[in-house]
Amino acid sequence: GQQVMQIPQYQHVQEGEDFTTYCNSSTTLSNIQWYKQRPGGHPVFLIQLVKSGEVKKQKRLTFQFGEAKKNSSLHITATQTTDVGTYFCARGRHSGYALNFGKGTSLLVTP
Amino acid sequence: DGGITQSPKYLFRKEGQNVTLSCEQNLNHDAMYWYRQDPGQGLRLIYYSQIVNDFQKGDIAEGYSVSREKKESFPLTVTSAQKNPTAFYLCASNQGAREKLFFGSGTQLSVL
Repeated sequence: GQQVMQIPQYQHVQEGEDFTTYCNSSTTLSNIQWYKQRPGGHPVFLIQLVKSGEVKKQKRLTFQFGEAKKNSSLHITATQTTDVGTYFCARGRHSGYALNFGKGTSLLVTP
Repeated sequence: DGGITQSPKYLFRKEGQNVTLSCEQNLNHDAMYWYRQDPGQGLRLIYYSQIVNDFQKGDIAEGYSVSREKKESFPLTVTSAQKNPTAFYLCASNQGAREKLFFGSGTQLSVL
């Protein structure tokens, strides 16, 4: 009940194509966070969504939180090679501050 | 610069040996965490601590131990009871509930 599922597991696109990853939960989420991990690096926080139906943008990245607060998505417009990495969504645990992470979506962008 | 420092970057463990991974933060964060990352498995929570001298087990605590004697430090010991220790270990911290996590650069542990 505290897990989040991410799809797809992998995505390979040509530079300039769009990319979307989805994060789903069987239970209502109080909030959802997104992180990016570059190859060989560590996860870096991208954004947090809290409100039902919330949409936030960061340049070419668009984050959405579902109306029922059970799903979220990250959309990248016109991918670049700098977008390569694994994108994780994460939800809070009932017990405290810690987060449960999805298994991530690994994005490969070829020029 | 403020941040989280993990050491060593690479670590090798022999059979039957305990090894300790270091994690230090100067962000003045109350909460600290240890995650394990295996290829294609995401991040799994090992232990976490919300305050000094207190810590809780995560989802995969068996074979691991921690201490939190200082606010800045949260070392992780991988004991000989952990039969499959090869993984990338990430330490993180944050200030409170719903706050973003700051991660260290990780330690890659391998078995000789």
